[in-house]
Amino acid sequence: NAGVTQTPKFQVLKTGQSMTLQCAQDMNHNSMYWYRQDPGMGLRLIYYSASEGTTDKGEVPNGYNVSRLNKREFSLRLESAAPSQTSVYFCASGPRGGRDTQYFGPGTRLTVL
Amino acid sequence: KNEVEQSPQNLTAQEGEFITINCSYSVGISALHWLQQHPGGGIVSLFMLSSGKKKHGRLIATINIQEKHSSLHITASHPRDSAVYICAVRTNFGNEKLTFGTGTRLTIIP
Repeated sequence: NAGVTQTPKFQVLKTGQSMTLQCAQDMNHNSMYWYRQDPGMGLRLIYYSASEGTTDKGEVPNGYNVSRLNKREFSLRLESAAPSQTSVYFCASGPRGGRDTQYFGPGTRLTVL
Repeated sequence: KNEVEQSPQNLTAQEGEFITINCSYSVGISALHWLQQHPGGGIVSLFMLSSGKKKHGRLIATINIQEKHSSLHITASHPRDSAVYICAVRTNFGNEKLTFGTGTRLTIIP
């Protein structure tokens, strides 16, 4: 039982490059989330998926797209990376979202030059 | 003004001291979460509560819904408790989202 896994752990991009962050959970959770964490700020929700086949915008969705590929996997795509997207990205999952404990992945540290 | 405010931002204490971290929020909520972020960056959930008090080992979380305030207490603190403690709330708006505080950085000195 691996919990929530994320790949890659670290990534450096140049401005304008694209990439996809992968997230998978093996706990049969319905809800999955992508957050970003920046110094001096709380975790901010980028996108979430309340169930397979649905996605919704969070607080800071601009510049990102997501795909809920199946119940296990939820990917985050940066189509044209910008320095403002330099951050640590966390994926999380939960049985019923904010009504239950959320389980976090180890994070991806992304630097955009 | 942030919807979730934590205090203090930083706290340094000696091993064995009783620790209190505070969280105040300005909106109606249905649940409040306390999380711990390790120095290595990993985040784990400690508590979820909507009323009263919960205890797990040396950690105690309380919430006062009327005053919109929660506290996280650590008894007999230990250097391994050094971490960032984060408060998050689920509002009453009927969606799945959590709103997070900026965290309290706790350092316990041996």
